[in-house]
Amino acid sequence: EAGVAQSPRYKIIEKRQSVAFWCNPISGHATLYWYQQILGQGPKLLIQFQNNGVVDDSQLPKDRFSAERLKGVDSTLKIQPAKLEDSAVYLCASSLIAAGGKQETQYFGPGTRLLVL
Amino acid sequence: QKEVEQNSGPLSVPEGAIASLNCTYSDRGSQSFFWYRQYSGKSPELIMFIYSNGDKEDGRFTAQLNKASQYVSLLIRDSQPSDSATYLCAVHRGSNYKLTFGKGTLLTVNP
Repeated sequence: EAGVAQSPRYKIIEKRQSVAFWCNPISGHATLYWYQQILGQGPKLLIQFQNNGVVDDSQLPKDRFSAERLKGVDSTLKIQPAKLEDSAVYLCASSLIAAGGKQETQYFGPGTRLLVL
Repeated sequence: QKEVEQNSGPLSVPEGAIASLNCTYSDRGSQSFFWYRQYSGKSPELIMFIYSNGDKEDGRFTAQLNKASQYVSLLIRDSQPSDSATYLCAVHRGSNYKLTFGKGTLLTVNP
């Protein structure tokens, strides 16, 4: 079974530029998550999709970040314009739809390392 | 008070010893608890999850949960150098299955 795919793996941009990240979840996984992990910190949830609907985007800086999941499969996260503090690893994860109130296991992709200069 | 707290370490143990990693959480309504391992430069991978009070064992790993004390721990027996990584505690709260992660504890197992 193929894992969560992400691209690109690395990206270097200058501040005020825009950047986009792509994620393809594990086949059959309805829930998709985007996390931001700053060096030395745990992952922070930015946005969570269930199929193609947003479940939680409370920590997404909506003035500069946007995300979509068309057709309920792959997803794109965009930053426009980027700031220095956006330098981080952006992790995509997916899981089956949780049932019975239990959290399903989240499987993480390899991440995209973003450096904003 | 942070939602999920972990001692950032580093925690250093000799090979073959027991490593004990601790995590506290603030939300008494938390339902599920997860331990992820993250090697340097890699993405997190699930080690164990626990839902009920008590111990849960899987090979060399034991997760312990005490909801009254809002405390969850991970014990690694017979620690190996390959166990050297950052261990992330994650807590599930809320009906939208949101996971909140701690900062992680860096474990170093010395040969």
